[in-house]
Amino acid sequence: DTGVSQDPRHKITKRGQNVTFRCDPISEHNRLYWYRQTLGQGPEFLTYFQNEAQLEKSRLLSDRFSAERPKGSFSTLEIQRTEQGDSAMYLCASSLEGGLNEQFFGPGTRLTVL
Amino acid sequence: AQKITQTQPGMFVQEKEAVTLDCTYDTSDQSYGLFWYKQPSSGEMIFLIYQGSYDEQNATEGRYSLNFQKARKSANLVISASQLGDSAMYFCAMRDTITGGGNKLTFGTGTQLKVEL
Repeated sequence: DTGVSQDPRHKITKRGQNVTFRCDPISEHNRLYWYRQTLGQGPEFLTYFQNEAQLEKSRLLSDRFSAERPKGSFSTLEIQRTEQGDSAMYLCASSLEGGLNEQFFGPGTRLTVL
Repeated sequence: AQKITQTQPGMFVQEKEAVTLDCTYDTSDQSYGLFWYKQPSSGEMIFLIYQGSYDEQNATEGRYSLNFQKARKSANLVISASQLGDSAMYFCAMRDTITGGGNKLTFGTGTQLKVEL
């Protein structure tokens, strides 16, 4: 069990640029979640996949944000035309169906928009 | 809407002592689940303990226990015999069922715990 991995760990970009983050969940987990965490706050839910289907999106996910999970394995989160307010830690989590639905988190991608 | 409140921004405890981190919640659901996560400075969220709303006994997991008081809507985390490695941010979270049976987590603002010698 290699855990949830995220790439890159850190990203610095200029305002207006596009960025893409990748999440590789635990292999047998069919549920995948994206959260955003700003300084001094707890993580906030962004979106949820069950296999390849995106089933839930938060109102926090503006039209500049898009997420995919094309084969039901890894997922990508793209932010277009980044703004300074997008600076945050982006966390990915995965879980199994049933039981506690305990979510296992990755190390996160820290985005800084200059 | 569900809400989690953590009123202690920061806590200090001496090594080997016990510490209680407070968490209150608000929900209209009869069935719900509460989680505690630890977030060290590295950033990864580490699951610690879970309490279901219908669990009659308080959850325990090693040095972690959850003081669950349903009528008061509180789910405080107790860490016994604190260690230096316990220094981290601690988040209380509630599970909220969403489309397709998934569960998003609603987090509080966290408590920064510092264990001192």
